[in-house]
Amino acid sequence: QVQLQESGPGLVKPSETLSLVCTVSSGSITNYYWSWIRQPAGKELEWIGRIYINGNINYNPSLKNRVTLSLDTSRNQVSLKLSAVTAADTATYFCARDLARLGWYYFDYWGQGALVTVSS
Amino acid sequence: SYELTQPPSMSVSPGQTARITCSGDELPKQYVYWYQQRPGQAPLLLIYKDSERPSGIPERFSGSRSGTTVTLTISGVQAEDEADFYCQSADSGGTYVVFGGGTKLTVL
Repeated sequence: QVQLQESGPGLVKPSETLSLVCTVSSGSITNYYWSWIRQPAGKELEWIGRIYINGNINYNPSLKNRVTLSLDTSRNQVSLKLSAVTAADTATYFCARDLARLGWYYFDYWGQGALVTVSS
Repeated sequence: SYELTQPPSMSVSPGQTARITCSGDELPKQYVYWYQQRPGQAPLLLIYKDSERPSGIPERFSGSRSGTTVTLTISGVQAEDEADFYCQSADSGGTYVVFGGGTKLTVL
């Protein structure tokens, strides 16, 4: 059973960079795309972007200029960096396994989510 | 930008049928997927490729499509089905993922 676990600071100051890591257990991250999705409290889901081992990366155009995605195959981890954060970036951030490699654009396994608050 | 529209809320009594719609101009170009999200939990995949059910998802959950509208049907609603439901799709090239605004299902 694939398991995903997000980790990182729960509090980030405005204008700084939010950094999260998603550790994947049971299976190599090289076989799938991996997406990040976020959700402000009480609001809808918002896709941030996806990454694949061959270097393919897709971003939500609304966040593209501030997002960096990367993979660490030695640790089986997927990383998210979001720069120049504001209070509007306060949300629960989820990582998810993305079936895009198969031409089907959905998420079959999700992490439990990491709450990140942007505040001074 | 590509948008998916869902009703914000819906109420049904136990045993009744709930039908949650999702509409979008570009829906005919891509499959639609449905997720259930209970408070404090991650979304759970309910339906993929419009109408397929992952293993472990009860048969009372089904999906269908008609033109630019797709529908999640929950037959014989149970109290445990009370949750937020999201539809999701992608642009025609698969490079952009979009979620609907979510529908809060209340079981009376």
